[in-house]
Amino acid sequence: AQSVTQLGSHVSVSEGALVLLRCNYSSSVPPYLFWYVQYPNQGLQLLLKYTTGATLVKGINGFEAEFKKSETSFHLTKPSAHMSDAAEYFCAVRRLNTGFQKLVFGTGTRLLVSP
Amino acid sequence: GAGVSQSPSNKVTEKGKDVELRCDPISGHTALYWYRQSLGQGLEFLIYFQGNSAPDKSGLPSDRFSAERTGGSVSTLTIQRTQQEDSAVYLCASSLGLAQSTDTQYFGPGTRLTVL
Repeated sequence: AQSVTQLGSHVSVSEGALVLLRCNYSSSVPPYLFWYVQYPNQGLQLLLKYTTGATLVKGINGFEAEFKKSETSFHLTKPSAHMSDAAEYFCAVRRLNTGFQKLVFGTGTRLLVSP
Repeated sequence: GAGVSQSPSNKVTEKGKDVELRCDPISGHTALYWYRQSLGQGLEFLIYFQGNSAPDKSGLPSDRFSAERTGGSVSTLTIQRTQQEDSAVYLCASSLGLAQSTDTQYFGPGTRLTVL
């Protein structure tokens, strides 16, 4: 069975500071990994995804994430937070090489950005 | 082009009533998914449609929940005899339906269901 753990339900940073949102996964085989962002009263928007190849993945809005198989992690980072980054972020996994497309989500991390 | 749309955006109902939630996927997307987002449960998969294949209903929490997809496009999620624990945001997503890594799910804005 697959699962996703996001450490910290809330993360607070100052504008301009480094953003680090943690995600660890549990899967019997290497999965596909995703980060989604949800702004207030909106649906989920894909930030980035890891499937195969380069383990450092760059996404939209300056975010990036690195797949570390040895640590079963896929942490999301951004060098400098902006006020507009305040939102809820979800890490998700999907089983590799199957036709089964279900996403398994973590519980989410709310990012708070202060001026 | 247009994204995934859902209606209504908000629905308030009384306990015991039936509700129908609608999802219009992105044109050309053969795969459609329903998820539920609730406090304490996070985002849960409910059901998955892929083309003409039998849907994967493994996430439906009880037999009060059902969904259909007519003509391979629009989908309706029906909850019968609603309970207060059904209160949540119901999210619909669609994708091209590829089995490859490039298949990305695009989400609608959700329907917020409140059961009084």
